Amino acid sequence: DVKVTQSSRYLVKRTGEKVFLECVQDMDHENMFWYRQDPGLGLRLIYFSYDVKMKEKGDIPEGYSVSREKKERFSLILESASTNQTSMYLCASSLNLLQGPQETQYFGPGTRLLVL
Amino acid sequence: KQEVTQIPAALSVPEGENLVLNCSFTDSAIYNLQWFRQDPGKGLTSLLLIQSSQREQTSGRLNASLDKSSGRSTLYIAASQPGDSATYLCAVEGQAGTALIFGKGTTLSVSS
Repeated sequence: DVKVTQSSRYLVKRTGEKVFLECVQDMDHENMFWYRQDPGLGLRLIYFSYDVKMKEKGDIPEGYSVSREKKERFSLILESASTNQTSMYLCASSLNLLQGPQETQYFGPGTRLLVL
Repeated sequence: KQEVTQIPAALSVPEGENLVLNCSFTDSAIYNLQWFRQDPGKGLTSLLLIQSSQREQTSGRLNASLDKSSGRSTLYIAASQPGDSATYLCAVEGQAGTALIFGKGTTLSVSS
């Protein structure tokens, strides 16, 4: 059973703090993703990674950075948290299949971040 | 740029009804289309994945269809139950292993 875990379910931070959100998957997936979810806007892609030390910007990367030092771990970093980064953050992972049955992305439980 | 739209945004039905959720997408060049369920405050759970070469997929009381040429998918839920109450999200994958593009979801409430 695929498991994607996120380090915190709820976080409260102050404006200007550096925030780390951690995501770990246990199925040796190559691909990992960070989304944020906001009412009325749906899920939007922040960053993704196809391999260790590799990263690609998504639709809304401003104010965020990522780190993937190990295959199973993908970290999202808010360099200087702002109130408009209050949101639900969802991590996902998937296999990088070139053939065979297609597989879905597996999501973590989410981290609800409040920036005061 | 791919856009995914879900109609209706919210739906309330009595228990036992059959219902249909709609999803449309603007670019028919997709790798697959996926339906997810999200309970309040929780992550997403995959329900069905339809490959671009397929027309439908079934799992229990759920049936999802795909008409790629018209850019539409439907999720059919038979004999709805209160436990089906959740938000249902449609997402398309443009190429293998790429990020999903999501609709904003349909929030379903099934009353007993």
